[in-house]
Amino acid sequence: KAGVTQTPRYLIKTRGQQVTLSCSPISGHRSVSWYQQTPGQGLQFLFEYFSETQRNKGNFPGRFSGRQFSNSRSEMNVSTLELGDSALYLCASSEGGTQETQYFGPGTRLLVL
Amino acid sequence: GQNIDQPTEMTATEGAIVQINCTYQTSGFNGLFWYQQHAGEAPTFLSYNVLDGLEEKGRFSSFLSRSKGYSYLLLKELQMKDSASYLCAVRDLGSSNTGKLIFGQGTTLQVKP
Repeated sequence: KAGVTQTPRYLIKTRGQQVTLSCSPISGHRSVSWYQQTPGQGLQFLFEYFSETQRNKGNFPGRFSGRQFSNSRSEMNVSTLELGDSALYLCASSEGGTQETQYFGPGTRLLVL
Repeated sequence: GQNIDQPTEMTATEGAIVQINCTYQTSGFNGLFWYQQHAGEAPTFLSYNVLDGLEEKGRFSSFLSRSKGYSYLLLKELQMKDSASYLCAVRDLGSSNTGKLIFGQGTTLQVKP
């Protein structure tokens, strides 16, 4: 099976802009989770989608949002970008049960100038 | 609250054995994961423990004690390619009864010749 894919891999934006990142899970996986990774904070949970519904949410401001489509592909959106949003954004997919292993995609590296 | 602690850095010699410890405090424990992350790459799954005891997988072993909130990852016969960051993550069911991963800051392991 193909792994988790994320597009784009690299992105440069300026403050105030908005950005949309895409994640395609492993075939058959119905859960997609998003994480932000920065050198100072490590890996932090953003949200999880399962069957097109947000099932869990981390402690990020409302500027961070996401959605999931019927084919389990997911997008996350960040509006009104701030310098501190510069990070590696990782998505991970799993079959959907609460004991399933999550498999990570390569990530999208976002730089906000 | 939720808290996961692991050492920031470790150094070991090629061919040796190294143990990376992880202690955690969560409200709804439902499993502990270890991931390996090379610089600039996505985390890759190494091991999963949900019951107490030792899980062995080739050169890598992981141990869990739920009563002590403690786990370790044991790497044997170290190779240069094992130089990476090792992430301890706990699945926290929380109040919504779904699984989100809470990550530690990661332990950067440097293997020297």
